[in-house]
Amino acid sequence: DAEITQSPRHKITETGRQVTLACHQTWNHNNMFWYRQDLGHGLRLIHYSYGVQDTNKGEVSDGYSVSRSNTEDLPLTLESAASSQTSVYFCASSEGDRGEQFFGPGTRLTVL
Amino acid sequence: GDSVTQMEGPVTLSEEAFLTINCTYTATGYPSLFWYVQYPGEGLQLLLKATKADDKGSNKGFEATYRKETTSFHLEKGSVQVSDSAVYFCALYSGSARQLTFGSGTQLTVLP
Repeated sequence: DAEITQSPRHKITETGRQVTLACHQTWNHNNMFWYRQDLGHGLRLIHYSYGVQDTNKGEVSDGYSVSRSNTEDLPLTLESAASSQTSVYFCASSEGDRGEQFFGPGTRLTVL
Repeated sequence: GDSVTQMEGPVTLSEEAFLTINCTYTATGYPSLFWYVQYPGEGLQLLLKATKADDKGSNKGFEATYRKETTSFHLEKGSVQVSDSAVYFCALYSGSARQLTFGSGTQLTVLP
């Protein structure tokens, strides 16, 4: 069965370190998204991609970057982790222009 | 810009009670509307959707009707179960923006 996976599921890091969160999907979807989930804010879009070599900034992109070198993967990098980036991160994918997105299980990141 | 406002939680109900979670939206054009559910420790999964005015989405006993005149998409279930305990997110998809906009989520707890 097709799926979307994220790793690691839990990560503790220190302020100033670079961190990369992995996202891998086997749906063969063109569209991939990264969100962060914080209490009271719902899900906020960080970055998204509509295909290989395409990346776009979302609502809360400062301090994050992504790259899309193949269809399956969209890693999210925190260049210099800050305590404000402590959150749960979700990756999602979709196909075409239908709006329905498929979500990964999430990564809980703690920045100390 | 697009926005979604949903009923603040948490909501606590007894088993077999009637559930309503309110959701209203602001959008240009004719968005598609979604309800996603997030069970503890998991990612979001699509619960139901409606793509045009007066459409009714339904799944697992949940229903929501796309009301253009009141810009609403309220979630209802006639008899909730303990297993329905989760966080529920209302979302809209705008074809022009090609992105999902989420409400802040409503935590539902159903007691036996």
